[in-house]
Order: sequence, then structure tokens, then C-alpha cells
Amino acid sequence: AQKITQTQPGMFVQEKEAVTLDCTYDTSDPSYGLFWYKQPSSGEMIFLIYQGSYDQQNATEGRYSLNFQKARKSANLVISASQLGDSAMYFCAIGDGWGKFQFGAGTQVVVTP
Amino acid sequence: EAQVTQNPRYLITVTGKKLTVTCSQNMNHEYMSWYRQDPGLGLRQIYYSMNVEVTDKGDVPEGYKVSRKEKRNFPLILESPSPNQTSLYFCASSLVPGPHTEAFFGQGTRLTVV
Repeated sequence: AQKITQTQPGMFVQEKEAVTLDCTYDTSDPSYGLFWYKQPSSGEMIFLIYQGSYDQQNATEGRYSLNFQKARKSANLVISASQLGDSAMYFCAIGDGWGKFQFGAGTQVVVTP
Repeated sequence: EAQVTQNPRYLITVTGKKLTVTCSQNMNHEYMSWYRQDPGLGLRQIYYSMNVEVTDKGDVPEGYKVSRKEKRNFPLILESPSPNQTSLYFCASSLVPGPHTEAFFGQGTRLTVV
């Protein structure tokens, strides 16, 4: 069984600052993937970044980077140089090799001018 | 345009009246899945399908049915909806099953059961 935990229900960040969103997971599978999705107020789910359990390097996609610490079972998302358009709900998710995905409860980010 | 299309986007129905939410993808993806999103709970997986005629239960399958007769379609069926199935529903697809590919999501279906 897999489990994902996001302990920050909400946070404020100032424009142009960096923000770290926490995500811890638990799984007994040796092969798994970790994903971050963004859900703006309009409701759609937008894929941000992916990290494979066997990847040696932390994933990066533009202003998004994933701080993957396998031994600690954490996969924190770092958003650099926050923009007003980054205000949204952010979900961490884990997928196994058998089709199952689990999402965390989400973190609401509000970027202030 | 590559996309996952859900219909309808909004639906209000009465308890016990059977309904189907359709999901179609045009990316030739093997894997498709349904989720419900409730405040404070994130997204929870209802059913998923690794390929045509192959479906399996997720974490919250009670009260739902699915079928995968063709690769592109994965409808979600509520045989006898109840108010606790009021939720935001998402369909998603991935190129292949497994942990290494991102899921593409539909726009969501907001269902209210009264």
C-alpha cells in the first residue's frame, strides 16, 4: 500500500520569492514515480514535474525542481521566483507499477504582490 | 489537439437515477483512470484500466462501475447515485501503465446528487 502526506494545508509567499512544498510518502514498492500537479482556481489539473524512484538526479522543469530524498521518503517541490499565476492548489502523487496512483490532500499556495 | 474529454462538465441529478460520465482520449493511451476530488482529501482513485477489457478497483470503487470496450473510451457509471457521491470527478490517461509516465487529465465533471 502507498501513502502520500502533504502537511501544509496552505501558505502565503511573496512574489519573486522561492517556496518549498512538502511531500512525504510511504511505499514498499522498489519502483515508483512521484508527481506534482497544479490545480488553479479554474479546476484543471496541470502536470508539473516527475521523479522516478531510480533517478539519481533531482528533476527540474523550468522554475520547478523536485528535492528528492529517497532515504527520508520525501519529494518536496521547490518553486523559484514565484509569480502571481502560481497561486493554486498543488498536489503530490505517487504511482506504482501496477496502475495505482495516490494523491496527497494538497497545499493551497497564495502568491502576494 | 491531444486531450482527454469528459462529458458532461456539470451535472445535477436525483438519488437513484442512473447516470454515465463519459471520458474519451485521442492519444492512443493504454492506461486510463477515474478519480474523485473532495475537499481536504485530495484525489482518490476510483477505478483504473491498464488496457482494453482490463479494469481494476482503486481506493474508493463502491457505488461505481466502469467499462473499457475500446481503447479511447472509459465511461464511469453510477447505477444508483447517492448524495455522498457528490464530488468533482476527473478522468486521466497515460501512454502506458506504470509509475514512469505522467497522467493527462480531463477538465473535470462536477456532480451533485440531491
